[in-house]
Amino acid sequence: AQKVTQAQTEISVVEKEDVTLDCVYETRDTTYYLFWYKQPPSGELVFLIRRNSFDEQNEISGRYSWNFQKSTSSFNFTITASQVVDSAVYFCALSEGDYGGATNKLIFGTGTLLAVQP
Amino acid sequence: EPEVTQTPSHQVTQMGQEVILRCVPISNHLYFYWYRQILGQKVEFLVSFYNNEISEKSEIFDDQFSVERPDGSNFTLKIRSTKLEDSAMYFCASSEKSLGGQPQHFGDGTRLSIL
Repeated sequence: AQKVTQAQTEISVVEKEDVTLDCVYETRDTTYYLFWYKQPPSGELVFLIRRNSFDEQNEISGRYSWNFQKSTSSFNFTITASQVVDSAVYFCALSEGDYGGATNKLIFGTGTLLAVQP
Repeated sequence: EPEVTQTPSHQVTQMGQEVILRCVPISNHLYFYWYRQILGQKVEFLVSFYNNEISEKSEIFDDQFSVERPDGSNFTLKIRSTKLEDSAMYFCASSEKSLGGQPQHFGDGTRLSIL
């Protein structure tokens, strides 16, 4: 069965601090995809990144970076020099591979509420 | 940038009434989805739709729910007889047909309040 665990319910940091959001996943598939979405206070879901199971290369995009480790089934997200605008709920999600019938539904974690204080 | 649009943004309905939530997916996308988020909880998959039929549905998506693509642009979620526990944010999403793992792009959601 697929499962995504975000053990951190809430994190509070002061602006300019670095913060890492943890994500641990479970799946029996060898081909799968991992995602991070941001949900700001306005409520919409904003896609941040996708990573497939065959690509363990870490990625950096501006102040955001992602660390994918298959050995520990983790896909952690780091925000460097956090800003107040980063305050949001962040969801990690998993979908299975495309076997010619898979629907690519997203299995979400419970989310981590990040509060960045000025 | 193309986006998924959902209407209305907020729907208030009496228990037992029917409600239709509307979505316009991104125009070249072929996979469509509905998700639900009860206040303060995680986002849950309801149903996926491709080629004018349901591809997969979750346990939540019981006989009270139905989806339809009535024309070439709209994608609707109908709840036949609403219950208090249907109160939630409902998100529509769409993605391109491709290899698996295509990002799903979400609308801003419809907040459904059942009284």
